[in-house]
Amino acid sequence: ETGVTQTPRHLVMGMTNKKSLKCEQHLGHNAMYWYKQSAKKPLELMFVYNFKEQTENNSVPSRFSPECPNSSHLFLHLHTLQPEDSALYLCASSHPFEGPSTDTQYFGPGTRLTVL
Amino acid sequence: GQNIDQPTEMTATEGAIVQINCTYQTSGFNGLFWYQQHAGEAPTFLSYNVLDGLEEKGRFSSFLSRSKGYSYLLLKELQMKDSASYLCAVRGGYGNKLVFGAGTILRVKS
Repeated sequence: ETGVTQTPRHLVMGMTNKKSLKCEQHLGHNAMYWYKQSAKKPLELMFVYNFKEQTENNSVPSRFSPECPNSSHLFLHLHTLQPEDSALYLCASSHPFEGPSTDTQYFGPGTRLTVL
Repeated sequence: GQNIDQPTEMTATEGAIVQINCTYQTSGFNGLFWYQQHAGEAPTFLSYNVLDGLEEKGRFSSFLSRSKGYSYLLLKELQMKDSASYLCAVRGGYGNKLVFGAGTILRVKS
């Protein structure tokens, strides 16, 4: 238990569906992240939020839409996805970077997404 | 950009010692992290190095040489539960980003 929870843990959706992934952290952090993890590939950073403001969008297609209503919650809204978007989506949180080791990221268990 | 290399897979015997290497290229190095990830679970933080040398935490140790762009994770007294993927991640480059390697799958056999 890392203090970061994600729901749902598994999701199967068709290409025309709209769904949302939810992440919640109980660590008092102010930075939150979405990552995509595909088989045998490195973790890919998608979005970063600091103090509820989006500070990074790593050239992610617009069919992925993040939302951060407060520092404890992060959503990823999904619509018209493609089969190649099937992957494990991981949320992480940290303190903002203020010097060495201050921004260690703690991960949630992920949502295993399958797009049919 | 940043580039991180680590072996894809390794196998070791229960009770033995194993060393997982990570080499990287980056500008503006600002720290290296090791994470452990069991199948279907969250990556969990193991260690952090920003200065040269060895950091020890129980059975796990991590070493860094900044001049060589090299780190290793050393696991002693291997246990079956240590079977997992080990991720090397480096912070640096433009925007001080954290970039992950593809991970090393370690299989511990009895």
